[in-house]
Amino acid sequence: NAGVTQTPKFRILKIGQSMTLQCTQDMNHNYMYWYRQDPGMGLKLIYYSVGAGITDKGEVPNGYNVSRSTTEDFPLRLELAAPSQTSVYFCASSPLRQGGNYGYTFGSGTRLTVV
Amino acid sequence: GQQLNQSPQSMFIQEGEDVSMNCTSSSIFNTWLWYKQDPGEGPVLLIALYKAGELTSNGRLTAQFGITRKDSFLNISASIPSDVGIYFCAGHSGGGADGLTFGKGTHLIIQP
Repeated sequence: NAGVTQTPKFRILKIGQSMTLQCTQDMNHNYMYWYRQDPGMGLKLIYYSVGAGITDKGEVPNGYNVSRSTTEDFPLRLELAAPSQTSVYFCASSPLRQGGNYGYTFGSGTRLTVV
Repeated sequence: GQQLNQSPQSMFIQEGEDVSMNCTSSSIFNTWLWYKQDPGEGPVLLIALYKAGELTSNGRLTAQFGITRKDSFLNISASIPSDVGIYFCAGHSGGGADGLTFGKGTHLIIQP
């Protein structure tokens, strides 16, 4: 059981470049989330989705876009990379609205550096 | 947005010692969760709390949901080297955005 799979694990971007961070889950969870983690800080919610075709902004959505065409996939798009987007990005999924009895299942993260 | 104050920021302890960390909030949460993050990995759920006053254990870990619903603590008894990592509290208010609000983490370092 793979759980939540994120690719790539590492990436270096130049300012102004674009990229897509991939996230796939095989647990048939309805709810999926993108968080970013900066050094010494907790995780900040970027976007979330409650099901295929439905997405909504979290706390720090500026500079990012998402789509949810299937239950399994929830890619995060950076259109014009900026140094402020240097961070570790985590995708998570959940079977229930409030995290359920098992909380969120997180991927292992994508470490992004923008130079 | 909502904020969680997690303390201490870091802890340096000897193997075998007990550990205690806590989170407080100015607003009420309906769910409290505790996660552990190992280097290079995503957070992993340790304990979930869903009712004010609830006390839950998971092996050497014990966590409580405060009566006021504005705080929670996590205790680790008889620490071992594999307990090293960053511990995060997280809360959910049940309204607005569906995401969790995370504390900034407690970095646990164990000296042999």
